[in-house]
Amino acid sequence: DADVTQTPRNRITKTGKRIMLECSQTKGHDRMYWYRQDPGLGLRLIYYSFDVKDINKGEISDGYSVSRQAQAKFSLSLESAIPNQTALYFCATSGGTSGSYEQYFGPGTRLTVT
Amino acid sequence: GNSVTQMEGPVTLSEEAFLTINCTYTATGYPSLFWYVQYPGEGLQLLLKATKADDKGSNKGFEATYRKETTSFHLEKGSVQVSDSAVYFCALSGRAGGTSYGKLTFGQGTILTVHP
Repeated sequence: DADVTQTPRNRITKTGKRIMLECSQTKGHDRMYWYRQDPGLGLRLIYYSFDVKDINKGEISDGYSVSRQAQAKFSLSLESAIPNQTALYFCATSGGTSGSYEQYFGPGTRLTVT
Repeated sequence: GNSVTQMEGPVTLSEEAFLTINCTYTATGYPSLFWYVQYPGEGLQLLLKATKADDKGSNKGFEATYRKETTSFHLEKGSVQVSDSAVYFCALSGRAGGTSYGKLTFGQGTILTVHP
């Protein structure tokens, strides 16, 4: 089984709808992240959480919100979806004692807003 | 703030050719450096990493050396295969105590296509 899972894998929704993307991990990591990927722009950080009680905005948080329901679960919500939120969304986790801060990514959710 | 710049793509090579993908960075202090690979339809996978100056990360025939004097972390492979076709991302993470601690800053990605 995958260590970081995302649901749904694909979603098409209409402008103005509320949508939630979910992420679960079995790695036991305390840090979780949400990114979006757009062609030619790499990955940009939306929100991140260093533990259940810690939520922080990333560089492009406008139009998004998150919930850290448990150490293993981190959800991303689009309150009122708009077409320019069409993108590939990735969840990632980080933790452990290595000290080098590498992150482990889920398979992604492809979101299309029409 | 931190930033990562990768060479423009896409890169197209024949099988067994030598690969270099350039990566330079701007950061305060001494970041950790990473190369991630994204195969078609998949998420990002860590390819290799280096945590201090002059460290060499290596994996699957790929190598990159942390060069503090030139703020670079170029990815190289001596003989590419068709299966190496993917998107490659250079990234950095700040160290504890800094504002970029625990967060990755990515380059824009380089598409590599290897033909038989």
